[in-house]
Amino acid sequence: GQSLEQPSEVTAVEGAIVQINCTYQTSGFYGLSWYQQHDGGAPTFLSYNGLDGLEETGRFSSFLSRSDSYGYLLLQELQMKDSASYFCAARKNNNNDMRFGAGTRLTVKP
Amino acid sequence: DTGVSQNPRHKITKRGQNVTFRCDPISEHNRLYWYRQTLGQGPEFLTYFQNEAQLEKSRLLSDRFSAERPKGSFSTLEIQRTEQGDSAMYLCASSLGSGGAEETQYFGPGTRLLVL
Repeated sequence: GQSLEQPSEVTAVEGAIVQINCTYQTSGFYGLSWYQQHDGGAPTFLSYNGLDGLEETGRFSSFLSRSDSYGYLLLQELQMKDSASYFCAARKNNNNDMRFGAGTRLTVKP
Repeated sequence: DTGVSQNPRHKITKRGQNVTFRCDPISEHNRLYWYRQTLGQGPEFLTYFQNEAQLEKSRLLSDRFSAERPKGSFSTLEIQRTEQGDSAMYLCASSLGSGGAEETQYFGPGTRLLVL
């Protein structure tokens, strides 16, 4: 089976840095993806880690440690528009079959 | 291409009725996925297709649920004899299907189902 754990809520102020952690237990783990979802919207892809280490995409970075079954999403220079839910998703195998965590609701305050 | 589209966007039905949703993936994408999402939860995998072949079905997908992708392009998800517990957002996603680290799933806007 598979399970992913992430905090349910995080609050931060504009301009700050926030880290959203994700731990996973999966069979046949292949990689970890991160998605953003605004209220009423569709999930949109942010980042993917297939190998250990850090992937940087603009203000967003994602990290994976396979030995620790752990990853995180780092959001820098927070903006109000970053208020959304963030999901980690474990890619089960090379078929890109994904399982999602319950999501972390990020609230950015002025 | 404007991305993944889903129809209808909203559906209200009475318990016991059948409903059918449609998903049109990005045109060059071989893989198509169906998910269900309830409030405060992440998307739950239901099933996925590689071209017209349905390769995996979740145990969440009871025998009241059926999905098809007859020509390897659009897909339909049918729920028979709907129950109030079926009320959720039904999301469709598609991906190239080439594998590799660059593989990304692109989601449609979803169909929100309310069963009264």
